[in-house]
Amino acid sequence: DTAVSQTPKYLVTQMGNDKSIKCEQNLGHDTMYWYKQDSKKFLKIMFSYNNKELIINETVPNRFSPKSPDKAHLNLHINSLELGDSAVYFCASSQSSGRWNTGELFFGEGSRLTVL
Amino acid sequence: TQLLEQSPQFLSIQEGENLTVYCNSSSVFSSLQWYRQEPGEGPVLLVTVVTGGEVKKLKRLTFQFGDARKDSSLHITAAQPGDTGLYLCAGTSGTYKYIFGTGTRLKVLA
Repeated sequence: DTAVSQTPKYLVTQMGNDKSIKCEQNLGHDTMYWYKQDSKKFLKIMFSYNNKELIINETVPNRFSPKSPDKAHLNLHINSLELGDSAVYFCASSQSSGRWNTGELFFGEGSRLTVL
Repeated sequence: TQLLEQSPQFLSIQEGENLTVYCNSSSVFSSLQWYRQEPGEGPVLLVTVVTGGEVKKLKRLTFQFGDARKDSSLHITAAQPGDTGLYLCAGTSGTYKYIFGTGTRLKVLA
């Protein structure tokens, strides 16, 4: 039973299209994240939700819109896709421990997005 | 902006050799984590260090958090092909933001 699952694993689409990536975690964690990993393997935080509330929005273009319908799900919708959006997008979750959040991040397997 | 620089970026060594990976920042972090990522998978946590000067051992891996909590190192003794992967450090300052390092790609040749 996969702890953090993302779909789809691969996504190939044309510039200008809109696409969504879904994420679900069954760990009972209260915090979920989206990270973008570029071709140089650099992992950059995009968004973080704690108990369905947006707590980090890391200067991501507003073409990217996250949605958290409940604590176990965090989806990412991308409008008007651009070539530079090609990357691997990782969903992750953690359990916060009050103000000092040093919990382990559990990552999904990633969704590789290729924009042509 | 908090940045974590890792060195070296790439490392290719023979089985049995020792190596050290460094993770440096000008910022202070309340904790530092090390993850390993294999191709096609997400990163997996190896260790968390929270106290300045702390040393943790995980079999052949030794992790150290700098006294000032701005840097960390990962030392692997007698590397094995199974150690091959991308090693990432990640710092957090007590918020929900985990800042990842630039990564070190390790290849251990049999």
